Amino acid sequence: NAGVTQTPKFQVLKTGQSMTLQCAQDMNHNSMYWYRQDPGMGLRLIYYSASEGTTDKGEVPNGYNVSRLNKREFSLRLESAAPSQTSVYFCASTPFPTGRDSSYNEQFFGPGTRLTVL
Amino acid sequence: DQQVKQNSPSLSVQEGRISILNCDYTNSMFDYFLWYKKYPAEGPTFLISISSIKDKNEDGRFTVFLNKSAKHLSLHIVPSQPGDSAVYFCAASEAGGSYIPTFGRGTSLIVHP
Repeated sequence: NAGVTQTPKFQVLKTGQSMTLQCAQDMNHNSMYWYRQDPGMGLRLIYYSASEGTTDKGEVPNGYNVSRLNKREFSLRLESAAPSQTSVYFCASTPFPTGRDSSYNEQFFGPGTRLTVL
Repeated sequence: DQQVKQNSPSLSVQEGRISILNCDYTNSMFDYFLWYKKYPAEGPTFLISISSIKDKNEDGRFTVFLNKSAKHLSLHIVPSQPGDSAVYFCAASEAGGSYIPTFGRGTSLIVHP
C-alpha cells in the first residue's frame, strides 16, 4: 500500500495563477482532509470530507475549493493564488470513527506539497 | 484563540536522557489526545494517543500522561535518541463533536549525541 500520496511535491506559481493539488489514498478510508502548515502555526485545517460526496470548511477555507472525486481522491484547488497561500500543504485520511477508546481518528498524512506563490 | 497550546517551540536534550514535551488545552470537551512526529520534508506520523478515561499510555520508549483537572498532557521519551529529533505535534479531539483533531503549533526536539 502506498498510503496517502500527493502531487506535485513542489510548485511555484505567480500571483493570480490557478492550480490543483492532488491527493489519493489506497486504505479505503472514508474521511479525508487538507491542511496547511506555516512556520510557527502548526497544522491548520482548510477543508475536509467526512465521507464520499460531502465536503466542509475547516479553519482557513478562504481562497480554496475542494472536490471529493471519489472515495480515494480529494483535490484542493487554488483559483487565484496569492502570496499568503505560500505554505506546505498536507493531505490526510482517517478510517470512519469506530469507537471511543481506540485510534479511530488517527490521521495518515501524505508527504506534502511545498507551494510558493510569487 | 488556541485551544491546544504547546508553549515550548523547541527543546534540546542529551542522548540517553529523558525528553518531556508539554501540551495544554482549554476545551473541556476534548476527550481524545494524540501526538504526531514530523521529520523535515515528510508528513506527520502518528506516535501515540490517550483517551480521557486513562491517565497514562505507554508504547516502548514513549509515554503520554494526561492530567484532566489541569487540562495538561505530556509526552515522555526515555531514553532519548538522536533519531527522535523532529517536530512533535500535540492534537486533541472530541468524540461527540466532529472528531477532527485540533493541533498545537509543535515543539522541535533536538537530541544531541
